Amino acid sequence: EAGVAQSPRYKIIEKRQSVAFWCNPISGHATLYWYQQILGQGPKLLIQFQNNGVVDDSQLPKDRFSAERLKGVDSTLKIQPAKLEDSAVYLCASSSSLVLTRSSYEQYFGPGTRLTVT
Amino acid sequence: LAKTTQPISMDSYEGQEVNITCSHNNIATNDYITWYQQFPSQGPRFIIQGYKTKVTNEVASLFIPADRKSSTLSLPRVSLSDTAVYYCLVGEPGYSTLTFGKGTMLLVSP
Repeated sequence: EAGVAQSPRYKIIEKRQSVAFWCNPISGHATLYWYQQILGQGPKLLIQFQNNGVVDDSQLPKDRFSAERLKGVDSTLKIQPAKLEDSAVYLCASSSSLVLTRSSYEQYFGPGTRLTVT
Repeated sequence: LAKTTQPISMDSYEGQEVNITCSHNNIATNDYITWYQQFPSQGPRFIIQGYKTKVTNEVASLFIPADRKSSTLSLPRVSLSDTAVYYCLVGEPGYSTLTFGKGTMLLVSP
């Protein structure tokens, strides 16, 4: 089966500019996640969607970050305006809704988008 | 969420068995133990998950003692391609989200 797709793979912008990332999860996966991974650290969850509804966005800096998942499939994550500290890899992951009933933390991650803010 | 502690780094040689231990002293009754692997420039990959005793799949084994306050990920006969960061996570699927620490950087040498 096709994996989680993300684009672009790399992006360089100047501070105060805007940027958007796109994610296409595995077909049929109801749950979608966006993570931020700063160099040398583990991924940090930014937002979790169940279909097109938000389950958890407690760690999303809502003054500059926004995310949407229209029609419960693809998702976009936007940063506006970007700051230097936003330089990181942004990972998208998905999991099947059936996972929750199986008591599993199995998520499938995409390759990520490496963002550099100068 | 239960806090986990694991070594920052480990070194091994090809063909050896590697055991990475994770400490989670305040694990809750409904928590599961999950391990992920991450190669450079890739997203993490699910390796194995368990609740108690021993779990084995085609990639690794997970040993969990009766008190569940620690767990050990065992990689049999590692190769150079097993060089990666390994994350230990503890939580209740469906109720708490994954919280990644810094992981253990495993370096396998020839």
